[in-house]
Amino acid sequence: RKEVEQDPGPFNVPEGATVAFNCTYSNSASQSFFWYRQDCRKEPKLLMSVYSSGNEDGRFTAQLNRASQYISLLIRDSKLSDSATYLCVVANLNFGNEKLTFGTGTRLTIIP
Amino acid sequence: GAVVSQHPSWVICKSGTSVKIECRSLDFQATTMFWYRQFPKQSLMLMATSNEGSKATYEQGVEKDKFLINHASLTLSTLTVTSAHPEDSSFYICSAQRRDSFSYEQYFGPGTRLTVT
Repeated sequence: RKEVEQDPGPFNVPEGATVAFNCTYSNSASQSFFWYRQDCRKEPKLLMSVYSSGNEDGRFTAQLNRASQYISLLIRDSKLSDSATYLCVVANLNFGNEKLTFGTGTRLTIIP
Repeated sequence: GAVVSQHPSWVICKSGTSVKIECRSLDFQATTMFWYRQFPKQSLMLMATSNEGSKATYEQGVEKDKFLINHASLTLSTLTVTSAHPEDSSFYICSAQRRDSFSYEQYFGPGTRLTVT
């Protein structure tokens, strides 16, 4: 089983729609959780951290369910500029360093 | 901000040659730098963790004699792909962790695309 699993997509969604991504992770001892976005042929950029209490940043809402080892990302009122690959990332402390494990990503295309 | 640069941004080399990739933190000191590799349509995979002044820690399956990492200063780490082969063609990305931060946040460089012919 992969450490971090995501639906690879692609998701093709009309502009203005709401889209939800899911992710599961296998290591119950993982400490931190993130969503990154990666544009084609670019480096990943941190979108938001994910907390059990849920957190919201504008049109983006992230949620963590530790019991189910499940992470979600919701994008409301999607824009053309949201087209990218969204990476679910899980972090574990390893000898004083935080080791990031990336999912394979979910590709999102917003259609005008 | 926290800016990380990589050089070169892309490189084409012949099979059997060695290629050096530099990763620099431009406006902060980095205690730890990480090297990742990403093959097409795959996730980023951590290759090694590099702490300034000490030997790098390699992930399982990554050959330390093939991927030489040097982290001689708090702002520079280098990855040398020795005797490169076509299967080493990939997108290599580094990240850096700030020395002066309580956060473990990693700041990513723009990546280096290596093509071995």
